[in-house]
Amino acid sequence: DAGVIQSPRHEVTEMGQEVTLRCKPISGHDYLFWYRQTMMRGLELLIYFNNNVPIDDSGMPEDRFSAKMPNASFSTLKIQPSEPRDSAVYFCASSSGQRTDTQYFGPGTRLTVL
Amino acid sequence: SQQGEEDPQALSIQEGENATMNCSYKTSINNLQWYRQNSGRGLVHLILIRSNEREKHSGRLRVTLDTSKKSSSLLITASRAADTASYFCATDNAGNMLTFGGGTRLMVKP
Repeated sequence: DAGVIQSPRHEVTEMGQEVTLRCKPISGHDYLFWYRQTMMRGLELLIYFNNNVPIDDSGMPEDRFSAKMPNASFSTLKIQPSEPRDSAVYFCASSSGQRTDTQYFGPGTRLTVL
Repeated sequence: SQQGEEDPQALSIQEGENATMNCSYKTSINNLQWYRQNSGRGLVHLILIRSNEREKHSGRLRVTLDTSKKSSSLLITASRAADTASYFCATDNAGNMLTFGGGTRLMVKP
């Protein structure tokens, strides 16, 4: 298996622009997680899905952030409009079985908002 | 607030030495996991220890869990330069969600 795939790996955009991050989880995994990592705040859980359904989005910082999972093999995290404080590395992870089982992380998307 | 907190925040050792990192947590858990993150990469799962286990080994890794003290330690024996990375503990917060600590940055000097 190729593991969790994320795209793009790097994104540089200007304040106010829309940003879309993409994730393909490991086939057969029924949990998908979106995290944000910064030096100041560490690794933060933004939202997670179970069987394509959003379960907990309490970590989404603002209404500017939205996430979808239209099918079992694809998810997006969208920021509109983007702000400089959104600059971070965004990770997608997937797992099977329990939501607290081993998570498999993608390589991340490094987002820079100018 | 974070469920797990690693200690120390940073550790620098010579190749061949052992590295010990600690994790403390606040509420009861079903399991505790350790992950490694190399610079610029995603986290990679290392080992999972359940609340009814006290010690677990995987290659050069040894993990202990003391539920009475709400703490765990990760020992890397005979460290190598390739072990240079950040190490995170993650606790399941009594089956609710997996919560990651702030990590320990390990530097192994050749």
